[in-house]
Amino acid sequence: ETGVTQSPTHLIKTRGQQVTLRCSSQSGHNTVSWYQQALGQGPQFIFQYYREEENGRGNFPPRFSGLQFPNYSSELNVNALELDDSALYLCASSLYDKNIQYFGAGTRLSVL
Amino acid sequence: SQQGEEDPQALSIQEGENATMNCSYKTSINNLQWYRQNSGRGLVHLILIRSNEREKHSGRLRVTLDTSKKSSSLLITASRAADTASYFCSWRNQGGKLIFGQGTELSVKP
Repeated sequence: ETGVTQSPTHLIKTRGQQVTLRCSSQSGHNTVSWYQQALGQGPQFIFQYYREEENGRGNFPPRFSGLQFPNYSSELNVNALELDDSALYLCASSLYDKNIQYFGAGTRLSVL
Repeated sequence: SQQGEEDPQALSIQEGENATMNCSYKTSINNLQWYRQNSGRGLVHLILIRSNEREKHSGRLRVTLDTSKKSSSLLITASRAADTASYFCSWRNQGGKLIFGQGTELSVKP
C-alpha cells in the first residue's frame, strides 16, 4: 500500500460530459502528479501541483484542469469528454523535487 | 514522442529463469527509475540508479545504466510467478517532467 487513494475506481461517461477524479496524497507529501495511461502504453504526464499551484504540464489541452487543496489532496477535471479520453488515470504523490513517486491504484474512465 | 523505447514489448519465461528488459531514453538524465505495474493497477517504485552509477542491485533486481548509449537494463533473477507484471523505466526530461517508457509485459509461467 502506497497510502495514495483514488476515487472512484471505475467511471463510465458519455462524450461531451464532464468528469472529476479525486486523489488523496500520502501523508506529508506536498506534490501531486496526474498521468493518463492508455491501454498497452506507459503513463503520460498530465500536470503536477505543488502548494496548490500548477507546477508543470504535459501536452494536454486546457479542458484537462486540476486543483490541489490545502491538505494536498487533488482533483483532476476533464471537460467535453472525447472517446480518446478513455484510459486509466493515475495520481502520484511525492515530496517536492524528490524523484520517487507513490502511485494510487487509478481510476478507469470509459467514455462512450 | 518523448517516450523512450523498451524492449521486448512482451516477454514470457518459466519460473526460475532470468528476465532482462531494456530501456532507451532520449535526453540527459540525473537518474533513471524502474517501476512495476500489476494488471492495470498503480505503479510501484522498484529501484533508482543515478547517472554516475553503472550498476545497482536490490534483492533479485539488477539495474545497469549506460549514459553514453542512453540505455538501461533491468534483470530479474530466479523469476517467480508473482513477478508477472508490466515494467516501466522512467526519467525526467529537460523540463523536469517524469517520462515513462512504453513498458515490457512480463509473464512468468509456473
